[in-house]
Amino acid sequence: QVQMVESGGGVVQPGRSLRLSCAASGFALRDYGMHWVRQAPGKGLEWVAVIWYDGSKRYYADSVRGRFTISRDDSKSTLSLQMDSLRVEDTGVYYCVRDCYRMDVWGQGTTVAVSS
Amino acid sequence: EIVMTQSPLSSPVTLGQPASISCRSSQSLVHSDGNTYLSWLHQRPGQPPRLLFYKVSDRFSGVPDRFTGSGAGTDFTLKISRVEVEDVGIYYCMQATQYPSTFGQGTRLEIK
Repeated sequence: QVQMVESGGGVVQPGRSLRLSCAASGFALRDYGMHWVRQAPGKGLEWVAVIWYDGSKRYYADSVRGRFTISRDDSKSTLSLQMDSLRVEDTGVYYCVRDCYRMDVWGQGTTVAVSS
Repeated sequence: EIVMTQSPLSSPVTLGQPASISCRSSQSLVHSDGNTYLSWLHQRPGQPPRLLFYKVSDRFSGVPDRFTGSGAGTDFTLKISRVEVEDVGIYYCMQATQYPSTFGQGTRLEIK
């Protein structure tokens, strides 16, 4: 069945880096634009980044632009989020989400905690 | 950035009664391709969100027909004709017409 599984979360100090991965299965990743969306503890949803199905466009939230990089490897059916210069306010659950316009399938999420 | 404003933020509802959630955008959500990329999502405690509607009123697979999405331009509504226990949780509207994509604050639906 269609599924995405995130990994790579953990506890990290401010200023350090972390790389999240999302393994897609049950569909052809190359056919879909993909997002990262995050949710701080007890808060609402915050869109983070999107990459077009062919990698031709990438957009970022102002809060992460210049620090985070979204990428994809369709040969490995994997979406990634490189997170540099992490801040305390980047703490939360990070979801991998399918489809640029619908957000129709969500992973279970991976938790990132930025703390000294 | 398009700002999405939901109301109410909390909605206590009696089982079997209707519920309605409003979502307003700070500018029109009509895309240059003619589509309106407004989605509704539902999140139960401890779970990821799941899609209910996309392009305003297109019901996603498996969504019960007691749910209805409607609206146009800057005003959108999610309606539940008869609330059931499984409907509790937080409902979000989301726009993907213009990036950055943005979400509403969320509306918490609870049973009275």
